[in-house]
Amino acid sequence: DAKTTQPTSMDCAEGRAANLPCNHSTISGNEYVYWYRQIHSQGPQYIIHGLKNNETNEMASLIITEDRKSSTLILPHATLRDTAVYYCIVRVPRAAGGTSYGKLTFGQGTILTVHP
Amino acid sequence: NAGVTQTPKFRVLKTGQSMTLLCAQDMNHEYMYWYRQDPGMGLRLIHYSVGEGTTAKGEVPDGYNVSRLKKQNFLLGLESAAPSQTSVYFCASSLVLQGFDYGYTFGSGTRLTVV
Repeated sequence: DAKTTQPTSMDCAEGRAANLPCNHSTISGNEYVYWYRQIHSQGPQYIIHGLKNNETNEMASLIITEDRKSSTLILPHATLRDTAVYYCIVRVPRAAGGTSYGKLTFGQGTILTVHP
Repeated sequence: NAGVTQTPKFRVLKTGQSMTLLCAQDMNHEYMYWYRQDPGMGLRLIHYSVGEGTTAKGEVPDGYNVSRLKKQNFLLGLESAAPSQTSVYFCASSLVLQGFDYGYTFGSGTRLTVV
């Protein structure tokens, strides 16, 4: 899986958009970009993933640059409950039913603090 | 729909004791995983399973054993607990369709302290 680089911490005002960047300059053609978050003392939570097109769901939007070397997770209207550690992960989806190795490697992530 | 349920939520063991952590999922997911999370270390994969009756080693398998006798359950065993196994343990499962996974669902974790 390609290595990712994220800022250690970011702040955001409540109600504003939170834009979390991630660099993955060594990403290969079949690797997807995934975002997870972990709120204190809870298990990680899946947010969104994408290959090369921008993606949006009820939680967030994912913007991937044309060269796929970086991406940005956007929380459009951050709330205090969005305060968490956000992890950007790059990996290849695994083949169902096989014994191919698969893992989800979390780096250090970005600590997002949403302020009132 | 409970998702992924881990039991127990907390446990204190003495060095040398054994215990089993239970993970149950009700989403009919094929793949299941056990991770440990330590301060400053992120999540590290211990063991995983790609289906009933199968298990495989992850990054840090030493000192742990696993079993997947039923599709919905994935057990993590510590035969002889050591203080280095003090950690928060997370179980996860994932659905795989047409060769692609759609994200992992994690349990709420088990906080284990070995004294």
